[in-house]
Amino acid sequence: ELKVEQNPLFLSMQEGKNYTIYCNYSTTSDRLYWYRQDPGKSLESLFVLLSNGAVKQEGRLMASLDTKARLSTLHITAAVHDLSATYFCAVSFNDYKLSFGAGTTVTVRA
Amino acid sequence: DTAVSQTPKYLVTQMGNDKSIKCEQNLGHDTMYWYKQDSKKFLKIMFSYNNKELIINETVPNRFSPKSPDKAHLNLHINSLELGDSAVYFCASSQLVGDYYFGPGTRLTVT
Repeated sequence: ELKVEQNPLFLSMQEGKNYTIYCNYSTTSDRLYWYRQDPGKSLESLFVLLSNGAVKQEGRLMASLDTKARLSTLHITAAVHDLSATYFCAVSFNDYKLSFGAGTTVTVRA
Repeated sequence: DTAVSQTPKYLVTQMGNDKSIKCEQNLGHDTMYWYKQDSKKFLKIMFSYNNKELIINETVPNRFSPKSPDKAHLNLHINSLELGDSAVYFCASSQLVGDYYFGPGTRLTVT
């Protein structure tokens, strides 16, 4: 069974500083997704990483994928309050299923 | 022009009742899903349908019965609701090697 582990599960960030969320998965996969969820809302797609070495950036967020290490990272640069949310990584093992990590709840403080 | 829509958004009902949630996508995707998000925010696949055919049934109790009348619609009927069924249910759709699009969710509360 595919397992997806995120850490940390909770992250208190100080505005202006940099942080990283890690996502490890147990079985070979070449597709990894990052989502953001605000309280009471749906999941918003952030990144789709499709190959080893893929790196994508959007604003203060940058995601990377190392399929050999079965590791993806979500790097946050110069945190701002608007980034407070829960972030999920998810891995596609086949075409019909996404397996999610437990989520990282991010709080950004002044 | 919402990509994936669900109704209702909120559902409050008593134990033992039967309820349905409807989902529609206008993205032309072949595959649709139901996910359950529990109170700890954990998301788990329940069902996957591809072109109206059930592909994945992830050990969901048979009180849950999905139905896909066409590839744009995937409904979820739940019989004999239990307290443990309280959760947020998300419908999603995708195309091969593409992104997954999630609906707004249905918050089910069983009392």
